[in-house]
Amino acid sequence: AQKVTQAQTEISVVEKEDVTLDCVYETRDTTYYLFWYKQPPSGELVFLIRRNSFDEQNEISGRYSWNFQKSTSSFNFTITASQVVDSAVYFCALTGGGGFKTIFGAGTRLFVKA
Amino acid sequence: DAGVIQSPRHEVTEMGQEVTLRCKPISGHNSLFWYRQTMMRGLELLIYFNNNVPIDDSGMPEDRFSAKMPNASFSTLKIQPSEPRDSAVYFCASSTLKGGLFLGETQYFGPGTRLLVL
Repeated sequence: AQKVTQAQTEISVVEKEDVTLDCVYETRDTTYYLFWYKQPPSGELVFLIRRNSFDEQNEISGRYSWNFQKSTSSFNFTITASQVVDSAVYFCALTGGGGFKTIFGAGTRLFVKA
Repeated sequence: DAGVIQSPRHEVTEMGQEVTLRCKPISGHNSLFWYRQTMMRGLELLIYFNNNVPIDDSGMPEDRFSAKMPNASFSTLKIQPSEPRDSAVYFCASSTLKGGLFLGETQYFGPGTRLLVL
């Protein structure tokens, strides 16, 4: 069975602080795909990143960075110098290779205070 | 390019009424997904279509729910009769499936329909 755990329910930081959102996954597939989505207060789900299981390189996109470690089955997301606009619920998700069913974590609600 | 389009954005109805949610996927995408989001259960996949054919509807809660995809650019999710416990945000998402294999392609979500059943 596949599972995605986002242990942090809510995180509150002050603007300009760095914050890391944790994601731990379980799968028996050797090929799988990991995703992060952002859900701002307006409600839509915005795609942030897709990573396949064979690519363990970390990725940086502006203030966002992702740390994928197969050894610990983690795919953590760091926001550097957080801004109020980063306030949202962030979802980590997993799709097993050959399948289409994407399993979402419960989400982490991030509050960034000015 | 337009993203996934859903209508209506908000729906308030009374228990027992029929509700129809609509979705237009991104042009060129051949896979379509319906999800439901609630506080208690998070994001759940209800049904998945590929090339307009339902592939897996195991997530559909019960017979009151039905989904159709008559063509590549339109899908509906119908609830009949609706119940208060159906209140949720319903998302439609689309993606591409290349060469007959799903390679973990990214799903792009619509804005959602917020349904309230009184």
